[in-house]
Amino acid sequence: EAQVTQNPRYLITVTGKKLTVTCSQNMNHEYMSWYRQDPGLGLRQIYYSMNVEVTDKGDVPEGYKVSRKEKRNFPLILESPSPNQTSLYFCASSTGADHGYTFGSGTRLTVV
Amino acid sequence: GQQLNQSPQSMFIQEGEDVSMNCTSSSIFNTWLWYKQEPGEGPVLLIALYKAGELTSNGRLTAQFGITRKDSFLNISASIPSDVGIYFCAGPMGGGSNYKLTFGKGTLLTVNP
Repeated sequence: EAQVTQNPRYLITVTGKKLTVTCSQNMNHEYMSWYRQDPGLGLRQIYYSMNVEVTDKGDVPEGYKVSRKEKRNFPLILESPSPNQTSLYFCASSTGADHGYTFGSGTRLTVV
Repeated sequence: GQQLNQSPQSMFIQEGEDVSMNCTSSSIFNTWLWYKQEPGEGPVLLIALYKAGELTSNGRLTAQFGITRKDSFLNISASIPSDVGIYFCAGPMGGGSNYKLTFGKGTLLTVNP
């Protein structure tokens, strides 16, 4: 089944403790992206990647890192999480942004 | 950054009613996308529009790419309870190697059986 898989689905962590949210797609898509969703703010893009080793900042990149060492994987790294990073995170992939993204099921992160 | 203004923010309707929502931008878009998000899930693409004036249907859903290329509309006919969710418009900004997908803030649709 064609899908974007992200893990974990739920995560509660403490301020400052480094964490990684994994994302993998099995559709051989070139484009991958991370979004965060917050009430009243909709979906905001954190980072995106056009291909292996090619990444760029979205609208809200501060406090996040990404890497794209393989085509199928695009992990999101929070080096020192803070409470304002409590959010619902989505990974997505596409053959090109204008073809629309396929989204994962989300990771709900709580930073206390 | 570039923003998409989506309205209304929320709608509460009776089953069987038709629904209309729209999205506007201060800049021209070459593509308009409409997504639906159900509770606990990621957004799912409903309709993609690629040409000004284009009208595209997907079952009871119809979307239009505005002539000015700065707006788009989504209509749902004869709503049913499973239409409940958040509807997002989206469009790619930039060009060349700078493709990004920007989303509106969504329209929350509630359907009363």
